[in-house]
Amino acid sequence: DQQVKQNSPSLSVQEGRISILNCDYTNSMFDYFLWYKKYPAEGPTFLISISSIKDKNEDGRFTVFLNKSAKHLSLHIVPSQPGDSAVYFCAASPWAGNNRKLIWGLGTSLAVNP
Amino acid sequence: DGGITQSPKYLFRKEGQNVTLSCEQNLNHDAMYWYRQDPGQGLRLIYYSQIVNDFQKGDIAEGYSVSREKKESFPLTVTSAQKNPTAFYLCASTSAAGVFYGYTFGSGTRLTVV
Repeated sequence: DQQVKQNSPSLSVQEGRISILNCDYTNSMFDYFLWYKKYPAEGPTFLISISSIKDKNEDGRFTVFLNKSAKHLSLHIVPSQPGDSAVYFCAASPWAGNNRKLIWGLGTSLAVNP
Repeated sequence: DGGITQSPKYLFRKEGQNVTLSCEQNLNHDAMYWYRQDPGQGLRLIYYSQIVNDFQKGDIAEGYSVSREKKESFPLTVTSAQKNPTAFYLCASTSAAGVFYGYTFGSGTRLTVV
């Protein structure tokens, strides 16, 4: 059963507009959430994270929002640029002492059109 | 520069052969992971190790084996028992204690069975 769900396999936006990528989770024990960006034939790179004690974290053009009651987080990219075209993975970590096993969504492929 | 090195970038294997994928990190990370990526399937965990000389099966361990004789190294062997080995393989690492900042990934190995 998929504990972290990214229900949109793909998203297409115009350059300069906002990109919103969504992620839902089912396990209330998750306390740390991350977004990774992946280009083809490369390893994922860390983008931004948020702890369950916060509801928003911002880093430049990237903002992650967390709604714990809805078990939902979203990544906002403003403004979107063609270089943002990649697959974005949402990941969650349950509090389990030193166990750092991440649970991954299936990814959303973002295309930013010039 | 600290990081994770995966080699080779591309690997071709004949049916019935075992092959070993290399993963080396100089980040002083305790935990290391192997993932497989197939189109539309996200990242699937093969094996992980949190300390030297210890490792656990992930979600799709059948047909794979690993060793963790040194902290820096976590090689993955794809055996002839793996029914569909053609995929993109990713190695990752993280610290096992202290603040969790997510995983650092290598650049991946593309394995093709010919």
